[in-house]
Amino acid sequence: NAGVTQTPKFQVLKTGQSMTLQCAQDMNHEYMSWYRQDPGMGLRLIHYSVGAGITDQGEVPNGYNVSRSTTEDFPLRLLSAAPSQTSVYFCASSYPNSPLHFGNGTRLTVT
Amino acid sequence: EDQVTQSPEALRLQEGESSSLNCSYTVSGLRGLFWYRQDPGKGPEFLFTLYSAGEEKEKERLKATLTKKESFLHITAPKPEDSATYLCAVQAYPDSWGKLQFGAGTQVVVTP
Repeated sequence: NAGVTQTPKFQVLKTGQSMTLQCAQDMNHEYMSWYRQDPGMGLRLIHYSVGAGITDQGEVPNGYNVSRSTTEDFPLRLLSAAPSQTSVYFCASSYPNSPLHFGNGTRLTVT
Repeated sequence: EDQVTQSPEALRLQEGESSSLNCSYTVSGLRGLFWYRQDPGKGPEFLFTLYSAGEEKEKERLKATLTKKESFLHITAPKPEDSATYLCAVQAYPDSWGKLQFGAGTQVVVTP
């Protein structure tokens, strides 16, 4: 059972470049979300989805786009990367009223 | 505004030396409080969910408790493999399920 799979594990971008962080889950979870983790700060919610075709903004959505065309996939798009987006990004999924399952993260550096 | 504060930021223990981690929270209405363990380079791993004051959950050397304003994670007779960062998160009404507010974590190092 793969759980929540994130790719790539590491990525370096130049300022202004765009990219997509991939997230896939094989547990048929309705709920999926993206968090970023920065030193000294808690995980902060970027975007989330309660089901295919439904997305909403979290605490820090600026500079990021998401879509949810299938139950399994929830990609996160960086439109024009900035150094402030250097972080570790975690994708999570769950059933309603159940704990979140996290992937192992994508470490992104923007130079 | 919902807030979650964890203390201490870091904790160094000798093997067998029991201690407690604190998670203080301020929310309009608590839907659930979660404890996660995070190892370096990995995603958070779920430990416990607590829903109401007075509730307790146990797993091996870990025990989580909940009051109306804070939660404690007690580590009894820790072993080196308990070394990790422990994260606390709350979910508040009327937020959608899964919209968690995380604390910054407590980094625990257990030495032999």
